[in-house]
Amino acid sequence: QQQVKQSPQSLIVQKGGISIINCAYENTAFDYFPWYQQFPGKGPALLIAIRPDVSEKKEGRFTISFNKSAKQFSLHIMDSQPGDSATYFCAARRGNNDMRFGAGTRLTVKP
Amino acid sequence: EAGVAQSPRYKIIEKRQSVAFWCNPISGHATLYWYQQILGQGPKLLIQFQNNGVVDDSQLPKDRFSAERLKGVDSTLKIQPAKLEDSAVYLCASSFSDGPSDEQFFGPGTRLTVL
Repeated sequence: QQQVKQSPQSLIVQKGGISIINCAYENTAFDYFPWYQQFPGKGPALLIAIRPDVSEKKEGRFTISFNKSAKQFSLHIMDSQPGDSATYFCAARRGNNDMRFGAGTRLTVKP
Repeated sequence: EAGVAQSPRYKIIEKRQSVAFWCNPISGHATLYWYQQILGQGPKLLIQFQNNGVVDDSQLPKDRFSAERLKGVDSTLKIQPAKLEDSAVYLCASSFSDGPSDEQFFGPGTRLTVL
């Protein structure tokens, strides 16, 4: 079932630091790679997404880096804030078929 | 714009009992998804509807799970009979269509505990 491997499982970062979460996928047919943010008691919410024809996408403090040859992609959160403390999921999707999620990373940003 | 609504938010049942969850997607969204999220894991797709037709139910345990989307709007997911391993959060999501980059909007989920 798991086609997307995510690491680390948990991450603690100081306020102002950089948070980095990594994902690796197996199926080269995946063509859409979103990241979701989930707060306790809430459903996941789309944070940022990338398609494999670009190597990087930046939106504010959030950046996705994509390495097609290595089948890896990562989320970088610059200037991490306590309000960023949440669980982050990477995912991968092929066409309009089901999205495969990673197992999640619990991020804690200490003030 | 109202988000995806789900009810109930919490449900506790005994094993072998039945349970049903309800989802009301965002108005105008043709595609509806049910996901199962076991504690400590990412969501896993159970079933995907396009309007009132099933697009993908390959990961739905059809011996005990069923879902319907009558009239292409609201949807219900049923488990009958429930097992201990069904304890999870059941998330409903919707999107405008089923395009690969169409954003999926998730509801708050229903937390099911099977004792």
